[in-house]
Amino acid sequence: GAVVSQHPSWVICKSGTSVKIECRSLDFQATTMFWYRQFPKQSLMLMATSNEGSKATYEQGVEKDKFLINHASLTLSTLTVTSAHPEDSSFYICSARDPPPSTDTQYFGPGTRLTVL
Amino acid sequence: GENVEQHPSTLSVQEGDSAVIKCTYSDSASNYFPWYKQELGKRPQLIIDIRSNVGEKKDQRIAVTLNKTAKHFSLHITETQPEDSAVYFCAAVQGAQKLVFGQGTRLTINP
Repeated sequence: GAVVSQHPSWVICKSGTSVKIECRSLDFQATTMFWYRQFPKQSLMLMATSNEGSKATYEQGVEKDKFLINHASLTLSTLTVTSAHPEDSSFYICSARDPPPSTDTQYFGPGTRLTVL
Repeated sequence: GENVEQHPSTLSVQEGDSAVIKCTYSDSASNYFPWYKQELGKRPQLIIDIRSNVGEKKDQRIAVTLNKTAKHFSLHITETQPEDSAVYFCAAVQGAQKLVFGQGTRLTINP
């Protein structure tokens, strides 16, 4: 099946710093990628939808200036958590859509565990 | 927007018995319903999915049923095994593949 990678798999940073997370589709071109956040023992919450070559669409309550998303190519989307604070500590997971005429299915990356001290 | 409710939040069954997890959705425009299995610290893995033009789909010990009129769908796992223990999420998709997840069910298989 289609493979999505994410880097880094975990990161620890100090409060106030910025962290960039990369999401790559390895064997297909993803016109649409999604970013989710998952707190412990909770469900996945969609943060934003990222379309290649255009601005991301953020879900209600997600600060676009804090969570910067760039989708510069058909295989790469990045999420930058700016001025991170301890409450931003979470498991961040991306997914990439393999569009028609292929499977038209979302494939998830392995996730990035962010810990802000 | 879409809202997905999932029940139960926890489920414990004896090995070999069946497990059923149920979800309801609110938006009749949703047309794709995947189920994911997530082990601790890992990515969600798609285990089965169903589209709105189908009422039931089966893959070995796993089956999903969909009732469009009632707007609910269910996951059925038969002959459960210890490796089935995980958190299961249902989801509903509308439009451009925007997944809305249920709250998750922690399934424990007791040997």
